[in-house]
This record gives sequence, C-alpha cells and structure tokens, in this order.
Amino acid sequence: NAGVTQTPKFQVLKTGQSMTLQCAQDMNHNSMYWYRQDPGMGLRLIYYSASEGTTDKGEVPNGYNVSRLNKREFSLRLESAAPSQTSVYFCASSASGAGNTIYFGEGSWLTVV
Amino acid sequence: GIQVEQSPPDLILQEGANSTLRCNFSDSVNNLQWFHQNPWGQLINLFYIPSGTKQNGRLSATTVATERYSLLYISSSQTTDSGVYFCAVLSGTYKYIFGTGTRLKVLA
Repeated sequence: NAGVTQTPKFQVLKTGQSMTLQCAQDMNHNSMYWYRQDPGMGLRLIYYSASEGTTDKGEVPNGYNVSRLNKREFSLRLESAAPSQTSVYFCASSASGAGNTIYFGEGSWLTVV
Repeated sequence: GIQVEQSPPDLILQEGANSTLRCNFSDSVNNLQWFHQNPWGQLINLFYIPSGTKQNGRLSATTVATERYSLLYISSSQTTDSGVYFCAVLSGTYKYIFGTGTRLKVLA
C-alpha cells in the first residue's frame, strides 16, 4: 500500500526556472493538500483541493499553481522559482469530513539557487 | 483564523524519562491530530483525538475540547522518540492548521 507518493524527492533549481511536483494517492481520498515546511517551522498550507475539480488557496499560495488532474493526482507548479521557495514540500490527502485522518507523503526537498 | 500553539518548543530528555507536550488552540475544533516527524523528515500519524483520551503503547494523548488544549504524553522515552511532534487542527472542513512543533531529543 503506497499511500501518498510524491516526486521528485530532491531537486535543485536555478532562480527563474520552473518545475512541477507530482503527487498521487491510492486511498481513494477526496481531499488533497500541498504544504511547505521551512527550517524549524511547522507546515504551512499552500493549496488544497477539497474534491476532484476544485482547488483553493491556503496560507501561502503566492508563486505557486496547482492542478487536480483527477481524483488520485494533485500537482504543484513553480512557474518562476525564487530562493524564498527553498523548502521541503509535503503532499497529503484525507477523506472528506471532520472525522478523518490526514496522511502525508515523504516530502520533496527543493533548493533554489 | 484559528491559532495553534505548542509548548515547549524544545525538550531534551534522558532515555527512560517521561514528558508531556502541550497543544493549545484558539477556537473549537472537531478534528485534532498528533504527528511525529522523525529525523528523516517523515510525518507519522500518532493520534486522531478531537476529544477524550487514547493510548498506544508508551504514548497517550488527551484532548479537552471545552478548554481548547491537547496533551501528548511520552513515557519511558527512547532515542527513537527523537524528532519533532506536531499537533494539527481542522479549520473549517478542509484546512488542517499545524502548530510550530516541539523538538524532542532523547539522549542515551
């Protein structure tokens, strides 16, 4: 049971380059999320998708775009990477509703130089 | 929006010691979870505990929803307990808001 799978695990980008982080879940969850974690800090929500076909901004959406490709997949795109986007990115998913647990992927370490 | 605060921010223990980590939240919640982030960065679900008490081995958690706090107890700590402990609450229907974490180091 793979759970939440995200790729790539590590990436180095130059300022101004673009890239897409991919995420897929096999738990048939309706909701998916992208978080970023900066050193010594908690997780901050970038975007989320409550269900297939919908996306909404979280706390720190600037500089990012997302696509909910289908129920399984939710991608995060950096159109023009900046050093401030150096972070660890986590994808997560959950079933809808308050009584459910959120599950995380293993993280993607992104460095922008 | 809802605020989540954790204390203490850092904790160093000798192996075998007990500890209590606290999570305060600023509004009523119907979903609260505790996570352990291990030194490799993996986030591991510990408890889903919007109210009441749960136990899993050496770990237990209590949430007093009416007073807006949750406690995570670690007994007989081991070096493998090291890492960062986060609590997260559900704001609205979909947004999980995380605290800034408690960084635990257990010394052999």
